[in-house]
Amino acid sequence: NAGVTQTPKFQVLKTGQSMTLQCAQDMNHEYMSWYRQDPGMGLRLIHYSVGAGITDQGEVPNGYNVSRSTTEDFPLRLLSAAPSQTSVYFCASSAQQNQPQHFGDGTRLSIL
Amino acid sequence: GENVEQHPSTLSVQEGDSAVIKCTYSDSASNYFPWYKQELGKRPQLIIDIRSNVGEKKDQRIAVTLNKTAKHFSLHITETQPEDSAVYFCAASIRVTGRRALTFGSGTRLQVQP
Repeated sequence: NAGVTQTPKFQVLKTGQSMTLQCAQDMNHEYMSWYRQDPGMGLRLIHYSVGAGITDQGEVPNGYNVSRSTTEDFPLRLLSAAPSQTSVYFCASSAQQNQPQHFGDGTRLSIL
Repeated sequence: GENVEQHPSTLSVQEGDSAVIKCTYSDSASNYFPWYKQELGKRPQLIIDIRSNVGEKKDQRIAVTLNKTAKHFSLHITETQPEDSAVYFCAASIRVTGRRALTFGSGTRLQVQP
């Protein structure tokens, strides 16, 4: 099993560009989530999904969109990148929201 | 809104001493409380978790205690070793925009001095 796979690992964007961070899991987990991690700020929840076709906003959803068309995939889209979105992005999955979460290796995103 | 607060933000101990990290939460219906360890440049990894129907759980040198009445839970690491140096995050399953989601504290940087 690969677990949770995030691509790309690193990305540099210019302000105003859009892009999609990919997240895939092969554990048949229903619950998936996206976090961003800024220095000294911990992990802040962006969006989450309790199953295919269902998505919800987290603590810091502005500037990001998600979709969950399949159980396996949960892509995160940056609509118009801003320097404030420079961060490390982690995707995580678990069988349910009150079960151990498995994290991907993260995507380090820099926006100039 | 509902949140999770974590203290202290940094903690330095001598090798062999104990370390305690505390978290409080606001959602009285929270039922799941995991702790994660994150080494520099790595992903967070689960080290121990506890559910609301249990008061304490141990795994070798690590233990977690939960006080539902006071809405706080703590991580205890005994006989600390240099390899315990990392950032530790608590989390709680709290209600966010209508459904429950895992929300994290701001982290504690633990340094174990040899």
